[in-house]
Amino acid sequence: DAGITQSPRYKITETGRQVTLMCHQTWSHSYMFWYRQDLGHGLRLIYYSAAADITDKGEVPDGYVVSRSKTENFPLTLESATRSQTSVYFCASSLTGNGDEQYFGPGTRLTVT
Amino acid sequence: AQTVTQSQPEMSVQEAETVTLSCTYDTSENNYYLFWYKQPPSRQMILVIRQEAYKQQNATENRFSVNFQKAAKSFSLKISDSQLGDTAMYFCAFMWYGDDKIIFGKGTRLHILP
Repeated sequence: DAGITQSPRYKITETGRQVTLMCHQTWSHSYMFWYRQDLGHGLRLIYYSAAADITDKGEVPDGYVVSRSKTENFPLTLESATRSQTSVYFCASSLTGNGDEQYFGPGTRLTVT
Repeated sequence: AQTVTQSQPEMSVQEAETVTLSCTYDTSENNYYLFWYKQPPSRQMILVIRQEAYKQQNATENRFSVNFQKAAKSFSLKISDSQLGDTAMYFCAFMWYGDDKIIFGKGTRLHILP
């Protein structure tokens, strides 16, 4: 099916481990985004990408790494997971950046023990 | 720093009633976009309505409409004839014209009661 998918949907990992969350979209949207959602904070932007090989920091980038070698994929890596990174992570995409609707994936619930 | 404020953390209304969710924002810019997103219990974020600041007319989408007061920097969402399926978290969001990023408020959890 076309759309935007995330994997895994649920993940439990231990403190200090590296974990990668995957995001894939089939629309050839230029822009992709990673957010985290925490109680009391709404959605906060971690990183975003305007095109392949172009990435930029959002509001809360510390402890995360992204790459975008292909337009359709935008993986998010936690290099050394911490408990404070326990959250629900959403990937989103938009055709262009300016004013366009963002389409969201179903989210990944990550628990760091 | 840009802020989006939703002053109602949680609300409950009876089915078929009309409910208004409030949102205020802070900007010195004249051109921007405003959004309302819905997140039902399934967690899937869905765009409800979008408003361009330069347009005077309030946006509407079926039972959903906004009251955009530019001078007051207010962007409230009205849901008419509320339905059980409207139960969700609602996020107000802001984007500068020419920018790539959306800034979200903290959300209002809306319960529609049978």
